[in-house]
Amino acid sequence: NAGVMQNPRHLVRRRGQEARLRCSPMKGHSHVYWYRQLPEEGLKFMVYLQKENIIDESGMPKERFSAEFPKEGPSILRIQQVVRGDSAAYFCASSPSASLEQYFGPGTRLTVT
Amino acid sequence: GESVGLHLPTLSVQEGDNSIINCAYSNSASDYFIWYKQESGKGPQFIIDIRSNMDKRQGQRVTVLLNKTVKHLSLQIAATQPGDSAVYFCAETENTGNQFYFGTGTSLTVIP
Repeated sequence: NAGVMQNPRHLVRRRGQEARLRCSPMKGHSHVYWYRQLPEEGLKFMVYLQKENIIDESGMPKERFSAEFPKEGPSILRIQQVVRGDSAAYFCASSPSASLEQYFGPGTRLTVT
Repeated sequence: GESVGLHLPTLSVQEGDNSIINCAYSNSASDYFIWYKQESGKGPQFIIDIRSNMDKRQGQRVTVLLNKTVKHLSLQIAATQPGDSAVYFCAETENTGNQFYFGTGTSLTVIP
């Protein structure tokens, strides 16, 4: 059973470009969570999704950031018009239900130049 | 967000010794806690969890202790090995399935 997969692992974007981060949850998991981690800091919650629904986006910046988890395919975290402050590691986690532990992917490290 | 902090940012232990990593939280309504291990360049890895109706839970070489009175959580690693070197995060949530609040992390270094 493959774990949570994220791609790309590393992403470099110039200021003003768009970044699209993908997350494929573990098989059988329908709950996806996105977190952001700055260097030497803990993970900060961004958004929680179930298939086709955003359940909690209280940690998501109001502008430029969006997330989706379509019926088919991976969850996508989209950052429009990236700025240097968006440089961070973005982790996706999945769980089989709205309880218990979340399983994390390896992360996407976004660098904005 | 809620405050989840760690007492010590770094910890060095001799191989074979026991390690204790501490974590304080501020939300008295938190009812589920997890310890994660994060190695360099990797995502957090689940170690052990505990619910608020428990004081102690043991796993393989790890024990988590929960003191709800002082809102303190600890992770004990027995016979620490070089492979245990990593950053350890505690995370807590009030409503399972929603967001977890993570502490800053403690960097554990095991000295051979």
